[in-house]
Order: sequence, then structure tokens, then C-alpha cells
Amino acid sequence: NAGVMQNPRHLVRRRGQEARLRCSPMKGHSHVYWYRQLPEEGLKFMVYLQKENIIDESGMPKERFSAEFPKEGPSILRIQQVVRGDSAAYFCASSPQMDRPYGYTFGSGTRLTVV
Amino acid sequence: AQKVTQAQTEISVVEKEDVTLDCVYETRDTTYYLFWYKQPPSGELVFLIRRNSFDEQNEISGRYSWNFQKSTSSFNFTITASQVVDSAVYFCALSVATGNQFYFGTGTSLTVIP
Repeated sequence: NAGVMQNPRHLVRRRGQEARLRCSPMKGHSHVYWYRQLPEEGLKFMVYLQKENIIDESGMPKERFSAEFPKEGPSILRIQQVVRGDSAAYFCASSPQMDRPYGYTFGSGTRLTVV
Repeated sequence: AQKVTQAQTEISVVEKEDVTLDCVYETRDTTYYLFWYKQPPSGELVFLIRRNSFDEQNEISGRYSWNFQKSTSSFNFTITASQVVDSAVYFCALSVATGNQFYFGTGTSLTVIP
């Protein structure tokens, strides 16, 4: 049973480009969460999604960031027109309905570097 | 509001010493969950333990032990006879039954010197 799969593990983008981060939840998990870890800091919540629905996006920056979890396929965190301050590790977690809010499994993260 | 404080930013110990990592949390919810995660230099998050607010029993797992005290809102983590492989950043986290997210502390960077 594969864990939460995130890809790519490392992503380098030039300022102004778009970054797309993918997260495939564990089998049977219908809830996905995205977190951002800035250098030397803890993880900060960004968004919580269920299939085809954004449930809580209270931690998402108001501009340039968006997330989706389509009926088929992985969840995508999209950052448009990246800036140096977007350089961070982005972690995805998933949980089954019954084990919210404690049954999280985290992926290995995507390290985004903006040059 | 929820908050987790890890006051120790960095700790260095010599191999085989014991070390305790402190975690203080704040919440008004009566049902909540506390976690410890290890983040080695490779960057992934390794789950160590989860406790719920109704279970104050301390736990021991090999060289690791956890002391949960509701009276002081603390959930401290002790590594006995530390090893070089314990070198990592350790995060304490909190979630509440009524919420959607984890609240992480800022982490404690542990270096075990051989």
C-alpha cells in the first residue's frame, strides 16, 4: 500500500514561471491537505480539499496560489508567476474520512526553488 | 486559537546523553491530538507518536518516551542514550476535533555529536 506520493521531489523555476505540484493520496483516503514549510520554520497549513471541493483555504495566499483535487487524478497545487519568496518545501497529507483530524499521512514533500 | 511552542531552537548533545525536547500547546478545545514528527536531513516527515487529550498515560517506545501533562499543557519528548542517527529537526503538532488542520511548532534542531 503506497503512501502519499508527491512529485516532483525537487522543482526549480525561474521567477515568473508557473509551478505545479502533484499529490496522490493514499488509497482509500478522500481528504487532502497542503502545507508549506519556509526555510527554518515549521509547517503552515494552506488548504484542505475533498474530491472536487475546497473545504478550507484559510491558509492560502490570496493571489497566485490555487489548489484542486479532481474526481480523477492527483491533487494539484499551482503557483503562478513564482517569486523568490515561494521557495519552500510543500508537503501534502491525506486522511480517510473516519480518522479526521488525526489520521494524517504526510508525503515526502516537494522542494521548490525559485531562481 | 491553537498554538504550539517549541522554545528550544537548537540542542547539541554528545552521543549517549539523554535529551528532552519541550513542547507547550494552547487550545480551548477539550478534544485534541498531539503529535511528534522527526524531519531528518533528507527532508521527509517521519511520524513518531500521536496522543489524544483523554489519554495522559506516558508512553515509551525503545529509546523514545513521551510525557503528556495536561496540567501544564506540555507534551515533552525524551530520547535516552542518544545516537548520531537521532540528529534531525523535531516538530510537535496539535490538531483539534473541530478543526481541519495541524498546528506545528517551529521545531527543535537536535545535533548528536559522536
